[in-house]
Amino acid sequence: DTEVTQTPKHLVMGMTNKKSLKCEQHMGHRAMYWYKQKAKKPPELMFVYSYEKLSINESVPSRFSPECPNSSLLNLHLHALQPEDSALYLCASSQDSEVPQPQHFGDGTRLSIL
Amino acid sequence: QKEVEQDPGPLSVPEGAIVSLNCTYSNSAFQYFMWYRQYSRKGPELLMYTYSSGNKEDGRFTAQVDKSSKYISLFIRDSQPSDSATYLCAMTNSGNTPLVFGKGTRLSVIA
Repeated sequence: DTEVTQTPKHLVMGMTNKKSLKCEQHMGHRAMYWYKQKAKKPPELMFVYSYEKLSINESVPSRFSPECPNSSLLNLHLHALQPEDSALYLCASSQDSEVPQPQHFGDGTRLSIL
Repeated sequence: QKEVEQDPGPLSVPEGAIVSLNCTYSNSAFQYFMWYRQYSRKGPELLMYTYSSGNKEDGRFTAQVDKSSKYISLFIRDSQPSDSATYLCAMTNSGNTPLVFGKGTRLSVIA
């Protein structure tokens, strides 16, 4: 079991639906990340939160909307997604410091867009 | 030239073999290097984290960094079928810079 918990594990949604992915960590980490991973590809960074503030947005379409309600929680709100958005969405967390600390990943939410 | 190059494999070895996985990189500013293992339908799991050049050992795993050659390696001794997974290298130069991942190498250890 990982220390970063993601729910749901699987999600199927239509292109007009609105849904949210959730991520929780209790390691006291102050940096949290959303990644998108397509099959047989490495994770692609989407967003970074540092001390609950958005610090990096890698030019992600506005149909993906991140939210960090507190230091332990990270959400990704989804709206009007496209079939090409089907992927594994990974959350990660790390200590936030000038010296890079290893990121710890959850097991992801497997998202399918119909 | 991509920042990080990693042979995607697949790499197939017999149980008990020594496995060598490698990445090369072009950005000489990279100083922090990580190896992740990812099983099918799971998230990446951190195996090794090293800073600058040198070796680090943890059980059956050894990570090597050669900054002069811009080359990093992960060795797995006495490989087991449970080591069958995709291995991703990742690196960065500071805490404010995103990780750069290799494409991942798919490894199969055959019993």
